[in-house]
Amino acid sequence: DTAVSQTPKYLVTQMGNDKSIKCEQNLGHDTMYWYKQDSKKFLKIMFSYNNKELIINETVPNRFSPKSPDKAHLNLHINSLELGDSAVYFCASGDNTEAFFGQGTRLTVV
Amino acid sequence: QKEVEQDPGPLSVPEGAIVSLNCTYSNSAFQYFMWYRQYSRKGPELLMYTYSSGNKEDGRFTAQVDKSSKYISLFIRDSQPSDSATYLCAMEKTSGSRLTFGEGTQLTVNP
Repeated sequence: DTAVSQTPKYLVTQMGNDKSIKCEQNLGHDTMYWYKQDSKKFLKIMFSYNNKELIINETVPNRFSPKSPDKAHLNLHINSLELGDSAVYFCASGDNTEAFFGQGTRLTVV
Repeated sequence: QKEVEQDPGPLSVPEGAIVSLNCTYSNSAFQYFMWYRQYSRKGPELLMYTYSSGNKEDGRFTAQVDKSSKYISLFIRDSQPSDSATYLCAMEKTSGSRLTFGEGTQLTVNP
């Protein structure tokens, strides 16, 4: 069983479109995260949710909006996609000491 | 079988010790290898990024990749209490593709 799963794995879309990336975890964790990996492989946190409530919201454009229907799911919606949004996005879930990562979603905006 | 195996530990060493952290993998398509360090309640930070086989050194850290054995290592020399964290290996098949993470090894360096 995959602990943290993201869909889709790859996403190619045109500028201006609105898209969503879904994330689900079956680990029973209360906290879930979205990270963006930059071109140098650094992971930058975007959002953190604890038990469906937003607890971290780093400086990201408001075109990015996380939605957590329940504590096992944290979806990332992106409106009006721009070329610079192309990156790999990682979902994670965790407890106080560690986080488990999904395999990432490769988003390419053309 | 998981694609990437990493001993979760915990690993406890005295200050000044040499630490060896390891991951094995089963998919020979992996070509890019990374080590991340994650402090408690913090996001992971990239420590090392290597391509293919060989060694890469950065200060007290040395990353080693042996593709023939499908085995990667991170060595920490003169370990410090501030090195206490969880260390995650990660790898990808092509640059910019999706990563596969190990489970992470929890390291404690005792003063």
